This record gives sequence, structure tokens and C-alpha cells, in this order.
Amino acid sequence: DIQMTQSPSSVSASVGDRVTITCRASQGISNWLAWFQQKPGKAPKLLIYAASTLQSGVPSRFSGSGSGTDFTLTISSLQPEDFATYFCQQSNSFPRTFGQGTTVEIK
Amino acid sequence: EVQLVESGGGLVQPGGSLRLSCAASGFTVSSYGMNWVRQAPGKGLEWVANIKQDGSEKYYVDSVKGRFTISRDNAKNSLYLQMNSLRFEDTAVYYCVRGSNWLYPWGQGTLVTVSS
Repeated sequence: DIQMTQSPSSVSASVGDRVTITCRASQGISNWLAWFQQKPGKAPKLLIYAASTLQSGVPSRFSGSGSGTDFTLTISSLQPEDFATYFCQQSNSFPRTFGQGTTVEIK
Repeated sequence: EVQLVESGGGLVQPGGSLRLSCAASGFTVSSYGMNWVRQAPGKGLEWVANIKQDGSEKYYVDSVKGRFTISRDNAKNSLYLQMNSLRFEDTAVYYCVRGSNWLYPWGQGTLVTVSS
């Protein structure tokens, strides 16, 4: 199985800050990577797929990059509605696997 | 509007069975791969099962193999998860999710609690 490791597990930031979250796959997955945002009590929401393609309706302050084993999610200017938990997920092979999550908290 | 609505969750004793349902609207389940993903209370996301678009193959996470079965009813435009021999560690919110590769959209989830 492919292991997905996110860092950091949590980050404290202020509105307007630039935030970067990293996801590392235990083996190469090309660009078969997605990012999700989840708020308490809600289902996850797809933000980015194919490592860098923004899902329709997602603000352009979100961006993704990477290929192979190392990926990043960047929020260019943090907004109040962005405080949430973010997960990466690989779709290279079954079983699909998720990172453990990164919680973006208010500083 | 594409929508997924899960039902069938509840409280069950260890060793018991439960069948989750997911009613789809706005698209036909037979045209897409479909998945179940779960989230234990306060924990991360765990992919559980997938059924391919043509139904020819099904995939499962190791921890549920032999106990859970994913299926669909094209006439009812619905997805199911039959869960047998339930364990304490199966306690979670179970989400129905469309997608062969990219998981979108997600249902609102249904809570399964395994407890004596």
C-alpha cells in the first residue's frame, strides 16, 4: 500500500498569511494526487486534483504542485473561511490512501 | 444537481450486520466508479471500497476484506455497503463518494456505531 505523509500536522496562521502543506508518498504516484478541505461536521470537499488542477468553484488562492513523491498545497492569502483540516489522497493505485491531515488553526 | 444521500447507519453490537444505502440523483451510478470512505470519530479519512464503472471489479481496504461487500442497483440508482461481522473499530461516519480516480462529490455521511 502507498503511505501518504503530511506535514505539518497542524499550523497556526493569521488571516492574510501564506500557508504551505506538504504531502509525501511512499512511492512514486506521478500526478495522481488530490487535496481535500474538511470543516467540522461536514463532508470533505475536493479542492485540487491531478496534483495541480483547481476544482471548479475553488478560489484561486489555493494551488497545488508536485509530481512523483512530493506535493504541496499552498494557500496564498489565508481567509477566515479557510480554517479547516486538509487531507491529501493518492489515486495511483488501490487501496486509495489519505494523509493523516493538517489542521489550519487561527493564530 | 448531483447529490448523494446515505442512510442505514445506527447502533449495532459487535459481530452484527448493517447495510448502508446511498441514493444518487443528478447522475447515473452505472456511469461512474463509486466508493465508500469512512472517518472514525476525531480521526482521519479511510477509503473503504470501490466498485468500477462497469461493475467488473471491486476493491477493498484490507481491514474489511471478507466482511464488507460493495454493490449497486442500477434500477434504483443506488450504491450499497453490506457490513458483516462488525467490530468496535468499524465505528465511523461512512461517506458515499462518486469517482473512479477523483472523489467528488461526497454525501453527507451516515454514522455507524459498533458497541455492546
